[in-house]
Amino acid sequence: KAGVTQTPRYLIKTRGQQVTLSCSPISGHRSVSWYQQTPGQGLQFLFEYFSETQRNKGNFPGRFSGRQFSNSRSEMNVSTLELGDSALYLCASSLTLSESDTQYFGPGTRLTVL
Amino acid sequence: AQTVTQSQPEMSVQEAETVTLSCTYDTSESDYYLFWYKQPPSRQMILVIRQEAYKQQNATENRFSVNFQKAAKSFSLKISDSQLGDAAMYFCAYRNPLNEKLTFGTGTRLTIIP
Repeated sequence: KAGVTQTPRYLIKTRGQQVTLSCSPISGHRSVSWYQQTPGQGLQFLFEYFSETQRNKGNFPGRFSGRQFSNSRSEMNVSTLELGDSALYLCASSLTLSESDTQYFGPGTRLTVL
Repeated sequence: AQTVTQSQPEMSVQEAETVTLSCTYDTSESDYYLFWYKQPPSRQMILVIRQEAYKQQNATENRFSVNFQKAAKSFSLKISDSQLGDAAMYFCAYRNPLNEKLTFGTGTRLTIIP
């Protein structure tokens, strides 16, 4: 079974631009979570989607948004990029929302904001 | 709010030896799940082992085992017969049964000395 895939793997943008990242979960998984990883802040939860609905949201500004499609694929969007948005963005999928379900991570998208 | 603390930013171990990585967490919940994830230099986050809080028996996966002390809120990872491929960042994570998100520690960088 194929793992979680994320596209693109690398992105370079300039301040003020917007960006869209994509995540395809493991086949059959319906829950997708997004995390931001930076050297300074570590791994921080962005949001979680299940059945096309946002179920949880972390403490990030409204510039960060996401959505999930009927096939469980998810996208996250960051508008008006700031230098501090440079990070590795990780997507994780799990079967359901249950805390007993393990989250499996994708390889990440490395976003650099210049 | 739940917090996860990894007090060892870096650890090193000789190949074939045993090493223990520490993790403590803070929660008021009685049922929850704990995880150790490994992130090699290639950046893909890989699940190493998981522990259900309601289980008294410590989880084991081949060379990896945990020492779960629920009263002390401690969850350490023991790696036996360390191999060069074990070199990575190791993250301890707690999954909240109420909002399902993963809360990560700051990680421990493990170096294997040949």
